[in-house]
Amino acid sequence: DSGVTQTPKHLITATGQRVTLRCSPRSGDLSVYWYQQSLDQGLQFLIQYYNGEERAKGNILERFSAQQFPDLHSELNLSSLELGDSALYFCASSVTPGTSGGAGTGELFFGEGSRLTVL
Amino acid sequence: AQSVTQLDSHVSVSEGTPVLLRCNYSSSYSPSLFWYVQHPNKGLQLLLKYTSAATLVKGINGFEAEFKKSETSFHLTKPSAHMSDAAEYFCVVGNSWGKLQFGAGTQVVVTP
Repeated sequence: DSGVTQTPKHLITATGQRVTLRCSPRSGDLSVYWYQQSLDQGLQFLIQYYNGEERAKGNILERFSAQQFPDLHSELNLSSLELGDSALYFCASSVTPGTSGGAGTGELFFGEGSRLTVL
Repeated sequence: AQSVTQLDSHVSVSEGTPVLLRCNYSSSYSPSLFWYVQHPNKGLQLLLKYTSAATLVKGINGFEAEFKKSETSFHLTKPSAHMSDAAEYFCVVGNSWGKLQFGAGTQVVVTP
């Protein structure tokens, strides 16, 4: 158990809809990262927050947004969903801020992911 | 700029035989290198990391990797595969200010 909690584990929705994925980082970790994993794109870094502030952006679409709340949990909002958004979405956390989707020489702790299926 | 190439998308080994997963990297700076493992329906877990200390790095579950600067490689090995090693493995390169680049992954199948 990594200590990172993601909900929901599975989500099935229709095109055009909006969903919210939630992540609770490990206790004490200030950085939260969101990744998308799909068969054709592999693991793609989306966005990073550190202590409530956006720190780095990766390949995140404009239809997607995220935020980190004062209690350090984070939410990833996906809107106007398309079939191609079907993927596994991972949240990870780390102690150090790092930059651009990394954790310096530290370690990322990953949740078990939220599997989104868009029909 | 940095990049990472995992040379094999799939590796099949018999239980009890050695495992070799190949990774080459490119980095303009002294890199940090990591191997992560992802078991089915699970998140990624750190196996080991290299951060400019010893070139031979030992990780969890009997895995180790050797950093070879001259060959820009960071291959992952295990002397004897176990059925529980069946998973996807990711080689990751990071630079000095923390940007990570994940490889495409190597799927390991272990046969009895």
